[in-house]
Amino acid sequence: DSGVTQTPKHLITATGQRVTLRCSPRSGDLSVYWYQQSLDQGLQFLIQYYNGEERAKGNILERFSAQQFPDLHSELNLSSLELGDSALYFCASSPGTSLEQFFGPGTRLTVL
Amino acid sequence: ILNVEQSPQSLHVQEGDSTNFTCSFPSSNFYALHWYRWETAKSPEALFVMTLNGDEKKKGRISATLNTKEGYSYLYIKGSQPEDSATYLCAFHNRDDKIIFGKGTRLHILP
Repeated sequence: DSGVTQTPKHLITATGQRVTLRCSPRSGDLSVYWYQQSLDQGLQFLIQYYNGEERAKGNILERFSAQQFPDLHSELNLSSLELGDSALYFCASSPGTSLEQFFGPGTRLTVL
Repeated sequence: ILNVEQSPQSLHVQEGDSTNFTCSFPSSNFYALHWYRWETAKSPEALFVMTLNGDEKKKGRISATLNTKEGYSYLYIKGSQPEDSATYLCAFHNRDDKIIFGKGTRLHILP
């Protein structure tokens, strides 16, 4: 158990819908990273937040957005969902002064 | 275009044998190189974070080396055990904080 929690574990929804994935980092970690793992793409970096501020952006679609709240938990919002958004979404956290990342268990999103 | 390549894609190794595999990454704008171990149905688990050229890190029977000038890192496993069966991922982390993963090396240990 890495100490990073993600909810929900599974999510099934329809095309065109909007969902929110939640991540609670390890106690004391200031950085949160979001990743998408789909069958054909491998693990892709989406976005990083550090202490409430966006730090870096990867291959995140405009339909997706994220934020990190004052209590350091983070949410990833996915809207106008398409079949191709079906994937496993991981968040990871790291301490402010270290680069080692601790991954949560992931949220499996299925878009029907 | 930033590309991270891992080879081989898949590897079968007899229990007790040692093995190694490679991660190639861009040699410019380097910040860090991450190695992860990823077991089926679990989450990636950090093995090493390497930042300095020539760095060597070790954790038990697993070690890694880093060459940032030529853009490669090797992961070594000594005396492979069944529990080493997993996918080993490397990730290139550049100075703009972008992170790019390789597709992994899938290691199977044969009893």
